[in-house]
Amino acid sequence: DVVMTQTPVSLSVSLGGQVSISCRSSQSLLHNNGNTYLSWYLQKPGQSPQLLIYKVSNRFSGISDRFSGSGSGTDFTLKISRVEPDDLGLYYCGQGTQYPLTFGSGTKLEIK
Amino acid sequence: EVQLVETGGGLVQPGKSLKLTCATSGFTFSTAWMHWVRQSPEKRLEWIARIKDKSNNYATDYVESVKGRFTISRDDSKSSVYLQMNSLKEEDTATYYCTPGYWFAYWGQGTLVTVSS
Repeated sequence: DVVMTQTPVSLSVSLGGQVSISCRSSQSLLHNNGNTYLSWYLQKPGQSPQLLIYKVSNRFSGISDRFSGSGSGTDFTLKISRVEPDDLGLYYCGQGTQYPLTFGSGTKLEIK
Repeated sequence: EVQLVETGGGLVQPGKSLKLTCATSGFTFSTAWMHWVRQSPEKRLEWIARIKDKSNNYATDYVESVKGRFTISRDDSKSSVYLQMNSLKEEDTATYYCTPGYWFAYWGQGTLVTVSS
């Protein structure tokens, strides 16, 4: 199985600041069709997860351009700029390249 | 608007069975690959099952921990996907979500399954 390792486990940021979350996979997420199926999700308190980014760097419909994804192979990053109060919650990366599909263990974002 | 409504959760004793239903609307269900994902009380997300569409012979796949115990199925006429859970264990306690597609773009509110004696 592909193990997804997320760091840090938690982080605290001031409003207006910028943060980065790292996600590393135990195997390359490059599919033999040429796509890399790495996604990022945010679970706000009391809500279900929501998709932020798919295929490494594509923002889902309605997602602010303050969120950006990058990376390739086994090393990926989610950056959040100009942090707002509504950004707090649990962030997860997930891979869709190889079954069983797997997720990172989550990063808790807190606002200072 | 895409909607997913999971139902059927509850408190069940170890070894018993439960069937979850996910009713959907707002997208072309018949061509969507559907998944079940669960979230443990510790907030860990775990993909557990997928069913492909008719053109892919409704092929299914499962995480190892539920193989032989859980069965995913679908009814395209009702735009619904199901999860039959047998021989439940305490470690199956979680909120269960259904979600369509390749990158889980939409999630329902989930249904809580608690396995405890």
